Amino acid sequence: AQTVTQSQPEMSVQEAETVTLSCTYDTSESDYYLFWYKQPPSRQMILVIRQEAYKQQNATENRFSVNFQKAAKSFSLKISDSQLGDAAMYFCAYLRGGNQFYFGTGTSLTVIP
Amino acid sequence: DTAVSQTPKYLVTQMGNDKSIKCEQNLGHDTMYWYKQDSKKFLKIMFSYNNKELIINETVPNRFSPKSPDKAHLNLHINSLELGDSAVYFCASSATGHTEAFFGQGTRLTVV
Repeated sequence: AQTVTQSQPEMSVQEAETVTLSCTYDTSESDYYLFWYKQPPSRQMILVIRQEAYKQQNATENRFSVNFQKAAKSFSLKISDSQLGDAAMYFCAYLRGGNQFYFGTGTSLTVIP
Repeated sequence: DTAVSQTPKYLVTQMGNDKSIKCEQNLGHDTMYWYKQDSKKFLKIMFSYNNKELIINETVPNRFSPKSPDKAHLNLHINSLELGDSAVYFCASSATGHTEAFFGQGTRLTVV
């Protein structure tokens, strides 16, 4: 079975500082995709960033970047220059077989002004 | 142009009733999903449909039944609603081939 673990139920960061959210996953597959989704209070699920397992280079999207360690099955999200609008639940997700998504339990991020 | 839309956004109903939540996607995706998000924000997959065939059913009670009239729609029917069914239900879609899932705005179901 594929499982995704987010060990930090809650995190906080000072505005303009950097924060890292952790995610580990369990799989026996070699070909898969990983995602981070953001869910603000509006409850809309928004894609933040994606990583293909076959790519060694870590994905980046503006202030968001990942640290993908395939051997360790680790996929952390770094948010730089945190903004108030970054406050949300963040979900790590694993995709196998093209259409089987598995989500972690989420990390609630608070941004302190 | 909403990519994945689900209706209604809010649904309050009494125990024992039967209700439906509709979902439509205009992205041309071939797979659609239903997720349940409980009060602790945990997202649990309920169903996924690929080309009108059910491919995942994660131990969901048979009171829940997905109905897909075509590739762009996946509706969720719930019979004999129970208090524990109260949650936010998300519809999503994706294109097979390793892309992200696109989510609807969610339906908050409250059973009283």
